[in-house]
Amino acid sequence: DTEVTQTPKHLVMGMTNKKSLKCEQHMGHRAMYWYKQKAKKPPELMFVYSYEKLSINESVPSRFSPECPNSSLLNLHLHALQPEDSALYLCASRTGLLSNQPQHFGDGTRLSIL
Amino acid sequence: GQQVMQIPQYQHVQEGEDFTTYCNSSTTLSNIQWYKQRPGGHPVFLIQLVKSGEVKKQKRLTFQFGEAKKNSSLHITATQTTDVGTYFCAGGASGTYKYIFGTGTRLKVLA
Repeated sequence: DTEVTQTPKHLVMGMTNKKSLKCEQHMGHRAMYWYKQKAKKPPELMFVYSYEKLSINESVPSRFSPECPNSSLLNLHLHALQPEDSALYLCASRTGLLSNQPQHFGDGTRLSIL
Repeated sequence: GQQVMQIPQYQHVQEGEDFTTYCNSSTTLSNIQWYKQRPGGHPVFLIQLVKSGEVKKQKRLTFQFGEAKKNSSLHITATQTTDVGTYFCAGGASGTYKYIFGTGTRLKVLA
């Protein structure tokens, strides 16, 4: 069970498609994260949002576009992805950026690019 | 940039044997978190260490944070098949909002 909900669980898309990943939490957390995880590798940080504002972009290609419409919701818009973008995309949230609190991860979206 | 390495990369143990994974950061950390990820699952938070030299225990798991706050270890006593998974440390650097995950140690427990 996880308190961070990610949808869809699986996504297959072509390189010309546009799709979005969704992440939702209702724990009142104000910091939300996107990570990318390739098989047998650690999660790699992509974006960090704090109070709905983008705080960190780890030089992610523009074909990935994050959005935080409100404090409970985080989206990742995908466009013109490449086969090497196939991975598990994890969303995480925590109380705040300056708190020493754990990150709560969702189950992830397993993305395959054809 | 900051790097966090873990050793060993893989460890196979017989059930009942002990297991230790070591985490080393290239920079001083403000705190360190440990996560466990089961095959096909997502990282699950285990513990956080903040103070230099801190030691915390959770049943059969013992976590240590080095005096220089650049390394950490996780020790499991008498492993069980339920301990199977990949163990990641994640280092939090002072003055930043991000955690850098270590390379991970994949544990396999043979019954």
